[in-house]
Amino acid sequence: RKEVEQDPGPFNVPEGATVAFNCTYSNSASQSFFWYRQDCRKEPKLLMSVYSSGNEDGRFTAQLNRASQYISLLIRDSKLSDSATYLCVVNGNYGGSQGNLIFGKGTKLSVKP
Amino acid sequence: AAGVIQSPRHLIKEKRETATLKCYPIPRHDTVYWYQQGPGQDPQFLISFYEKMQSDKGSIPDRFSAQQFSDYHSELNMSSLELGDSALYFCASSPPGQFNYGYTFGSGTRLTVV
Repeated sequence: RKEVEQDPGPFNVPEGATVAFNCTYSNSASQSFFWYRQDCRKEPKLLMSVYSSGNEDGRFTAQLNRASQYISLLIRDSKLSDSATYLCVVNGNYGGSQGNLIFGKGTKLSVKP
Repeated sequence: AAGVIQSPRHLIKEKRETATLKCYPIPRHDTVYWYQQGPGQDPQFLISFYEKMQSDKGSIPDRFSAQQFSDYHSELNMSSLELGDSALYFCASSPPGQFNYGYTFGSGTRLTVV
């Protein structure tokens, strides 16, 4: 079983729609959680960290449920420029002083006019 | 602001050749990570260095080696290249003590083995 699992999509939504991505992780000792965005043939870029209390950055809201080992990302009022692959990412060096990131396979979002 | 610099951007090699990829982290970042992303795949962790010492090892083949130098730049050396090594290779860096805040990735090196 992969350590970080996501629905690969694609999610095809119209502009202005609200879309939600979900992710589960297998190791309960994981400490840090992120959503990255990756455009085709480009490097992953940090979208936002995910905190236990949930956090919001503009149109983006991230939630973490440690008990269920579940992470979500909600995008409101989708823009054409939101089209990308969204990667759920977990810090993999459990309890260590430096951590490598473990990526999910990503969920592809396509926002149409 | 300075970003993570990788060179070369593109590289074409033949099977069984060797390749060296370079990564220059953001100034004052002391940790460097290498990832491999095959076509349609998620980034896979290869290896990381902290303060010039290997700190963690992932799915790096024995044919590959890497090191971090005194100026904190890192090089990934790949030998006996195989067709399956064709991928995007990303380097990322993080500042001291802030590995839990996410990393900054370089633009990657696209390696094509023919």
